[in-house]
Amino acid sequence: DSGVTQTPKHLITATGQRVTLRCSPRSGDLSVYWYQQSLDQGLQFLIQYYNGEERAKGNILERFSAQQFPDLHSELNLSSLELGDSALYFCASSGGWTGEDYTFGSGTRLTVV
Amino acid sequence: AQSVTQLGSHVSVSEGALVLLRCNYSSSVPPYLFWYVQYPNQGLQLLLKYTTGATLVKGINGFEAEFKKSETSFHLTKPSAHMSDAAEYFCAVRTGNQFYFGTGTSLTVIP
Repeated sequence: DSGVTQTPKHLITATGQRVTLRCSPRSGDLSVYWYQQSLDQGLQFLIQYYNGEERAKGNILERFSAQQFPDLHSELNLSSLELGDSALYFCASSGGWTGEDYTFGSGTRLTVV
Repeated sequence: AQSVTQLGSHVSVSEGALVLLRCNYSSSVPPYLFWYVQYPNQGLQLLLKYTTGATLVKGINGFEAEFKKSETSFHLTKPSAHMSDAAEYFCAVRTGNQFYFGTGTSLTVIP
């Protein structure tokens, strides 16, 4: 157990729908990072939050959004889902904002049908 | 822009043979370099990292990697492959607070 908890582990939904993925960081970690892993794109950085504030943005679509709450858990919202959004979504956490001690969760597998 | 290139998306070795997974990077500033391993249906687990100091870095499970600045490389090695080493391996470079991952190398170990 890495200490980073992601729920749900699996999610199947239809095109056009909206889903929310949840991540609880390792105890004491202030930074949360979201990644998308797909067969054709590899591991892509989406967004980082540090202590509730957006810190860095990567290849995140406008249909996707995220937030980090006062208790430091984070949610990734994916809307108007398309077949191509099917992927593994990973959350990682670190103590500081530079990410030297990244710890990954086990991911949420999203399947859009 | 930073980038990470992993040569060989699939590598097969016999059990007991040397494992060599190649990683080259481009970075405009001194990088922090990482190798992660991903087992099926699991997240990424840190194998080892280079930040500063000794260029030969030892990690978990008998893996090690050497940072060669002149070659912009950070190849991962293990003297003797074990069946349990079969997994996907990712090289990553961190500059600032962003990680850039390679596309991964799938390691198969043949009994």
